[in-house]
Amino acid sequence: NAGVTQTPKFRILKIGQSMTLQCTQDMNHNYMYWYRQDPGMGLKLIYYSVGAGITDKGEVPNGYNVSRSTTEDFPLRLELAAPSQTSVYFCASSVRGGAKNIQYFGAGTRLSVL
Amino acid sequence: DQQVKQNSPSLSVQEGRISILNCDYTNSMFDYFLWYKKYPAEGPTFLISISSIKDKNEDGRFTVFLNKSAKHLSLHIVPSQPGDSAVYFCAASENQGGKLIFGQGTELSVKP
Repeated sequence: NAGVTQTPKFRILKIGQSMTLQCTQDMNHNYMYWYRQDPGMGLKLIYYSVGAGITDKGEVPNGYNVSRSTTEDFPLRLELAAPSQTSVYFCASSVRGGAKNIQYFGAGTRLSVL
Repeated sequence: DQQVKQNSPSLSVQEGRISILNCDYTNSMFDYFLWYKKYPAEGPTFLISISSIKDKNEDGRFTVFLNKSAKHLSLHIVPSQPGDSAVYFCAASENQGGKLIFGQGTELSVKP
């Protein structure tokens, strides 16, 4: 049982490069989320999706884009990487929205922008 | 503007003793609180939660206490075990449908 799978695990980008962080879940969850965690800080919500074709901004969406074409996949796109985007990125999913519905997290992608 | 704060970045406890992790919040509209546990190189995993209509929730060795008047919650682990060594995140949500707001995390180290 894979759960939530994120790729790659690590990546180094140069300023201005672009990349896509992949996230896929096999639990048939409707809701999916992208968070970032900076050193000494809590997780902050970047974008979330309530189902295929529907996405919405979270707390820190600037510099990122998302799409949700299938229930399983929720990729996060960085178009012009900046040093401020150096962080650990976590993808999560839940059956439904709301705090009572447990979010299941992937293992994270550690990104450095130099 | 940190709505959920964990003021202790780290905590060290002897095996078998009690671990107490603290969390403060500022938003009085938060009505659901959760604790997540995170091991290195893994994602956070859900540990325990509490609704604002309760002041205590217990699950085995883990108990969460909520003091709404003080806007404070705590996680008690009794007895602590070396396998409990991890980073613990407190999270809160508004109106039970809102997004999760996380604290900074507390790294617990349980010494054998």
